[in-house]
Amino acid sequence: SQTIHQWPATLVQPVGSPLSLECTVEGTSNPNLYWYRQAAGRGLQLLFYSVGIGQISSEVPQNLSASRPQDRQFILSSKKLLLSDSGFYLCAWSVERTGGTYGYTFGSGTRLTVV
Amino acid sequence: GDSVTQMEGPVTLSEEAFLTINCTYTATGYPSLFWYVQYPGEGLQLLLKATKADDKGSNKGFEATYRKETTSFHLEKGSVQVSDSAVYFCALGLNTGGFKTIFGAGTRLFVKA
Repeated sequence: SQTIHQWPATLVQPVGSPLSLECTVEGTSNPNLYWYRQAAGRGLQLLFYSVGIGQISSEVPQNLSASRPQDRQFILSSKKLLLSDSGFYLCAWSVERTGGTYGYTFGSGTRLTVV
Repeated sequence: GDSVTQMEGPVTLSEEAFLTINCTYTATGYPSLFWYVQYPGEGLQLLLKATKADDKGSNKGFEATYRKETTSFHLEKGSVQVSDSAVYFCALGLNTGGFKTIFGAGTRLFVKA
């Protein structure tokens, strides 16, 4: 069966420090991978998505970057965190190419607090 | 552009009450529609889906019908339980490269015993 792992679960980082969040998927090949951010009391904002190794699409220009070094690994990074980077970060995967039959499977999320 | 609008919360109901959470969308083409649920401190889980007009998605007593004429996908449940307390997200799936999904802002539901 397919599973998605996301870590760490919680993180408190000082302003200006670097960030690395990792997401891995098991049990499937060539998934689409996504990073979303959920600010407190708000909806989900798509940050990045990837349809293959090394292929990254950025939805919102900001202080973050993403990489996909392996088929089932997706990493969210920042060189210098800002207070506004605080939020709940969710990784998701999908096998969709067209049709919308399956939707997304989400990881359990990382709660990031920048202090 | 493509967007999803859902009713603002929080919605507070007594146990066994009828639930409706409204959702409307704007999209080009023929999107798929989804409802996701998020329990406290967790990621989102797919609750139900519909891929074409007049389809009805259902799961765990929840249901929603894809209404193309009114561009709506309202979530309903006949009798809510305390365990249904969560945030519910309506979402629009686009048939573009990477199959992006656009989420509504979420509606928080509180069910009182």
